[in-house]
Amino acid sequence: GAVVSQHPSRVICKSGTSVKIECRSLDFQATTMFWYRQFPKQSLMLMATSNEGSKATYEQGVEKDKFLINHASLTLSTLTVTSAHPEDSSFYICSAGQVSGNTIYFGEGSWLTVV
Amino acid sequence: GENVEQHPSTLSVQEGDSAVIKCTYSDSASNYFPWYKQELGKGPQLIIDIRSNVGEKKDQRIAVTLNKTAKHFSLHITETQPEDSAVYFCAATLGGSQGNLIFGKGTKLSVKP
Repeated sequence: GAVVSQHPSRVICKSGTSVKIECRSLDFQATTMFWYRQFPKQSLMLMATSNEGSKATYEQGVEKDKFLINHASLTLSTLTVTSAHPEDSSFYICSAGQVSGNTIYFGEGSWLTVV
Repeated sequence: GENVEQHPSTLSVQEGDSAVIKCTYSDSASNYFPWYKQELGKGPQLIIDIRSNVGEKKDQRIAVTLNKTAKHFSLHITETQPEDSAVYFCAATLGGSQGNLIFGKGTKLSVKP
């Protein structure tokens, strides 16, 4: 079974609205989670590193005011796409690592379509 | 910056044959090398991983080898089956950090029955 759960798996929103995606680690605590974006037929692009109890670290070129990340607990990180535009439509994926062992697991991904 | 190169980008094999995907990395501090299988519309699924203190690891039909001196690692799938068809990504940790992965561009594997 999945060890990292993402919700929703698919979401459609209107341009200008905001949408939140949740990433949960199941059965383990994750002090750090990662958010990726993936365009069709391309590799995963790291957007930001989510740190429990502190501010997220964003990769160059990723707007932190547009992609809000909150990591309020050791099992939950959220990504909020604010004032969404059609170009934000993409597949968003989170990952989390167990403190021991360094194994990284990915969520099932969330398809965002902005109309 | 640091990067991971993956080859080939596409690979087509006949059912029952072996498939090999190769990756090279640039960060000498990388210490964890996972392989993921991604089916269309789904998140990447960890299929095997190897750490820097091990040269080879095997799990049934899947094996991974690591050459730290040459900075390359490979995925080997034996006795391929049609359900092995997917996109495979290699990755390496950025430095010694936990979880911060750099991904290869992916290999689309097609197994023909």
